[in-house]
Amino acid sequence: RKEVEQDPGPFNVPEGATVAFNCTYSNSASQSFFWYRQDCRKEPKLLMSVYSSGNEDGRFTAQLNRASQYISLLIRDSKLSDSATYLCVVSRLNRDDKIIFGKGTRLHILP
Amino acid sequence: DAGVTQSPTHLIKTRGQHVTLRCSPISGHKSVSWYQQVLGQGPQFIFQYYEKEERGRGNFPDRFSARQFPNYSSELNVNALLLGDSALYLCASSPEVPRNQPQHFGDGTRLSIL
Repeated sequence: RKEVEQDPGPFNVPEGATVAFNCTYSNSASQSFFWYRQDCRKEPKLLMSVYSSGNEDGRFTAQLNRASQYISLLIRDSKLSDSATYLCVVSRLNRDDKIIFGKGTRLHILP
Repeated sequence: DAGVTQSPTHLIKTRGQHVTLRCSPISGHKSVSWYQQVLGQGPQFIFQYYEKEERGRGNFPDRFSARQFPNYSSELNVNALLLGDSALYLCASSPEVPRNQPQHFGDGTRLSIL
């Protein structure tokens, strides 16, 4: 089992729709969680950190469920510019520090 | 302020050669991490350095090594290159250890092995 698993993509959704991504992690020692977005042939950029109480940034909402070991990202009122690959990132301390990226989920927003 | 800078941007090598990739973190950032990203996959963690010491290592062979200098810049070295080493190599920096804080990525070095 991979340490971080994301929904397989791609997701093709119409503009204005709501889209949700899920990510599961296997190591209960995981400490911090992030969502990054990566545009084609560009570097990953932080979208948002994920806090235990859940957090919102405009149209984006992130949630963490430690008991079930998953995090989610919700995008409301999707825009064409939201088209990108969304990467789930988990960091943990287990003898040493490791930062684990998921494979990513590709999102296409359709006009 | 300058972001994370990596050099070179593109590199072509042949099997068996070695390569050195360089990274300068954002000013004031003490931690640098290296990742390998192949097409269609997420970045794979290679190393993390903080205050010139290795703090984390991914599942990469000993052909991969790195170091961090007193000015916090870093080098990634790969020896005996294989075709499978062709990838985008990303460097990321953060103010402290990235365990609890996000990282800022450079544009990457695209390495092609012939």
